[in-house]
Amino acid sequence: AQRVTQPEKLLSVFKGAPVELKCNYSYSGSPELFWYVQYSRQRLQLLLRHISRESIKGFTADLNKGETSFHLKKPFAQEEDSAMYYCALSGSTSGTYKYIFGTGTRLKVLA
Amino acid sequence: GAGVSQSPSNKVTEKGKDVELRCDPISGHTALYWYRQSLGQGLEFLIYFQGNSAPDKSGLPSDRFSAERTGGSVSTLTIQRTQQEDSAVYLCASSLLPGGPIADTQYFGPGTRLTVL
Repeated sequence: AQRVTQPEKLLSVFKGAPVELKCNYSYSGSPELFWYVQYSRQRLQLLLRHISRESIKGFTADLNKGETSFHLKKPFAQEEDSAMYYCALSGSTSGTYKYIFGTGTRLKVLA
Repeated sequence: GAGVSQSPSNKVTEKGKDVELRCDPISGHTALYWYRQSLGQGLEFLIYFQGNSAPDKSGLPSDRFSAERTGGSVSTLTIQRTQQEDSAVYLCASSLLPGGPIADTQYFGPGTRLTVL
């Protein structure tokens, strides 16, 4: 089955602490992986994608094909990081294109 | 236009009525997606369009749901005989192309909050 799993619905950390939002996927081909973020009262927007190997707002994510994971990490959480985070994948198998989102993790950064 | 727009922003309807939700994608984006966002359910894929055709309708929850896209631009999601469980935020997104790590980054609209009484 093709799916994206985010095991934590809610993750609370203190400001300045490291944060890791977990994402595991199951996909038969070679997917592209993304992290999207939705801040309060704002639109869902792209945070980063694995192909770019970029760091956005201090966040990084490494694709681990062996573990089929794409965890999102930041060494020092800030209060403004509080938001809903969605892991997603896209890919094409047997001519069918799929874009699959996880159920999301709400990150709360406490002062 | 600056981004994806959706209308109405809020819709309250009575159970059993039909509703139409509209999405205006970013100009030039060939792919358009509809999602449903419910409390505790995350983001549920409904349907996507490549141009005017919908190669994947597998996410539509029932035959009360339908969607169309005309002129490769505006899309309408129609829910017939609405039920209370249809209450959710309906999100639309567009991308330049489906497939490919750069081209298929999705740009989301603000959503339509549907409340079925």
